[in-house]
Amino acid sequence: ETGVTQTPRHLVMGMTNKKSLKCEQHLGHNAMYWYKQSAKKPLELMFVYNFKEQTENNSVPSRFSPECPNSSHLFLHLHTLQPEDSALYLCASSQDRGTGELFFGEGSRLTVL
Amino acid sequence: AQRVTQPEKLLSVFKGAPVELKCNYSYSGSPELFWYVQYSRQRLQLLLRHISRESIKGFTADLNKGETSFHLKKPFAQEEDSAMYYCALGATGNQFYFGTGTSLTVIP
Repeated sequence: ETGVTQTPRHLVMGMTNKKSLKCEQHLGHNAMYWYKQSAKKPLELMFVYNFKEQTENNSVPSRFSPECPNSSHLFLHLHTLQPEDSALYLCASSQDRGTGELFFGEGSRLTVL
Repeated sequence: AQRVTQPEKLLSVFKGAPVELKCNYSYSGSPELFWYVQYSRQRLQLLLRHISRESIKGFTADLNKGETSFHLKKPFAQEEDSAMYYCALGATGNQFYFGTGTSLTVIP
């Protein structure tokens, strides 16, 4: 499979649950990103990883915990979320020092009850 | 701080009419600007980037550093252009910041 793949596509969780979102890219890129997309808000950059190293944490609450075990995989671990965290979470990848093009997954729709 | 502003949330034009989607940015460094598009039920994808100065699907965008703008233009809108359009700013460290998006509807 090519491109950027995100699982699960939909997730419903309670505020006390622990869950994880997964992102996988088969493009040979070395930069990966998590974005949050909420209604009526711009895409919010959450985390950036370059060569598996986190280079940006855009003031994201600690209840969101990213993990990048290798350049092809990115996780977002979720714990004790709030209802306002309900959103579409997009993963993207790019080639470091490349053309700057981001390749996006289809997103994981998260609902926190 | 970096910021991208798209003042129009919704834009409707008739088929064959010119269309312009506005984008303004603020950034202290040398900006890299992009337009991304999301068609219905598809993922977000790159439409064009300012450094390539190319025309994609009839769309062009010129970076105006004096006005800090990167407006997207097309002389004759087509129905298939109906989509959500996002302006994005590339900053150092592979960071990309997006505007709120403009939903374009082309009326047949």
